[in-house]
Amino acid sequence: QVQLVESGGSVVKPGGSLRLSCAASGLTFSDYNMSWLRQAPGKGLEWLAYISSGGSTIYYADSVKGRFSISRDNAKNSLFLQMNSLRAEDTAVYYCARRLKLGKRLYDGMDVWGHGTTVTVSS
Amino acid sequence: EIVLTQSPGTLSLSPGERATLSCRASQSVSSNYLAWYQQKPGQAPRLLIYGASSRATGIPDRFSGSGSGTDFTLTIDRLEPEDFAVYYCQHYGSSLITFGQGTRLEIK
Repeated sequence: QVQLVESGGSVVKPGGSLRLSCAASGLTFSDYNMSWLRQAPGKGLEWLAYISSGGSTIYYADSVKGRFSISRDNAKNSLFLQMNSLRAEDTAVYYCARRLKLGKRLYDGMDVWGHGTTVTVSS
Repeated sequence: EIVLTQSPGTLSLSPGERATLSCRASQSVSSNYLAWYQQKPGQAPRLLIYGASSRATGIPDRFSGSGSGTDFTLTIDRLEPEDFAVYYCQHYGSSLITFGQGTRLEIK
């Protein structure tokens, strides 16, 4: 079945870096636009970054622009999030998610999500 | 940037009742780009509705979405015990994605 599995979360000191991965299976990964999102403890959902299927279009939320970088390796069915200059407020569960695509048409929803990986930024 | 405001913050209802959740946008949005999610504790969000009114695969027909412009509604008929959760609306803009702050649906 279609599955996204995040990895790479850990405890890191403020100012540190971390690289998250999202492994896709059961889908033609190169067909889909992808996003990274997060959820701080007890808080709502926050979108972070978006990358088109071929990687040519990338968007970031203002909160992470200049610190985080999204990328993908379609040959390895993988999505990445490089996180630099981490702050305490970056502590959260991080999710990767697939943008809904029906036929060739893109819709607004994200229909497949990973289970999340936890990042804790603390000294 | 379009801001989505959900109301109420918390909704207390009993199983079998109807839930009506609101999502108001700060500017008019294309109804093709408004989605709703359900999230239970410790789980990833689940897509319920896309395009303001289309149910995602496997979503029961007691869930329905409506609205256009700046006002959108998620309605859940005949609440089941498993429907008590947090619900988010979400919009794809021209270069960013925004979420509402969520509505907690709790058992009365």
